[in-house]
Amino acid sequence: TQLLEQSPQFLSIQEGENLTVYCNSSSVFSSLQWYRQEPGEGPVLLVTVVTGGEVKKLKRLTFQFGDARKDSSLHITAAQPGDTGLYLCAGAPGNQFYFGTGTSLTVIP
Amino acid sequence: DTAVSQTPKYLVTQMGNDKSIKCEQNLGHDTMYWYKQDSKKFLKIMFSYNNKELIINETVPNRFSPKSPDKAHLNLHINSLELGDSAVYFCASSQDSGQGSGGYTFGSGTRLTVV
Repeated sequence: TQLLEQSPQFLSIQEGENLTVYCNSSSVFSSLQWYRQEPGEGPVLLVTVVTGGEVKKLKRLTFQFGDARKDSSLHITAAQPGDTGLYLCAGAPGNQFYFGTGTSLTVIP
Repeated sequence: DTAVSQTPKYLVTQMGNDKSIKCEQNLGHDTMYWYKQDSKKFLKIMFSYNNKELIINETVPNRFSPKSPDKAHLNLHINSLELGDSAVYFCASSQDSGQGSGGYTFGSGTRLTVV
């Protein structure tokens, strides 16, 4: 069992559909980050959430930090083929930083 | 200008060989890292360096050794390569712990294949 579990592991949807990715843990985090990794590249930071209950929006992406700061979600509205990639949540319950198990998203045109 | 650059992009080598992967960052960050991404895409930290001091060292075999000649460089040396070392290795950097709004900046990875 990993510290940060993401679900679903794989997701394949049609262009224009909405989707939600979940990142769950039994530990409390001072902050959580979301990254997107495209094939052949390194992860790129999308957002950092720091306050329980916080909601941040990045164009069609909406990120929420759970009230208890143990979980987070990423919602994508009207998915586009350019959203295809591996989505990773990440955070540090203490001094060590961990990445989640990842969600591989494919958006079909 | 690439913020975090690592070379080579691809590395194919035989078992038992010794190899190095180089990493440089031009962001002025004070901490650099090496991560290993396995076939299931799971990212696991191997090392981090802050001001030339090793501050994290996970359960990594001592065949792996990081070397930092200066704050902008963190190279990874691997001795006696084994089949199980095949993976994608990422260099990253951050300001302080990386938990703030700036997060981590990653290189584009080195795909190591041991045959």
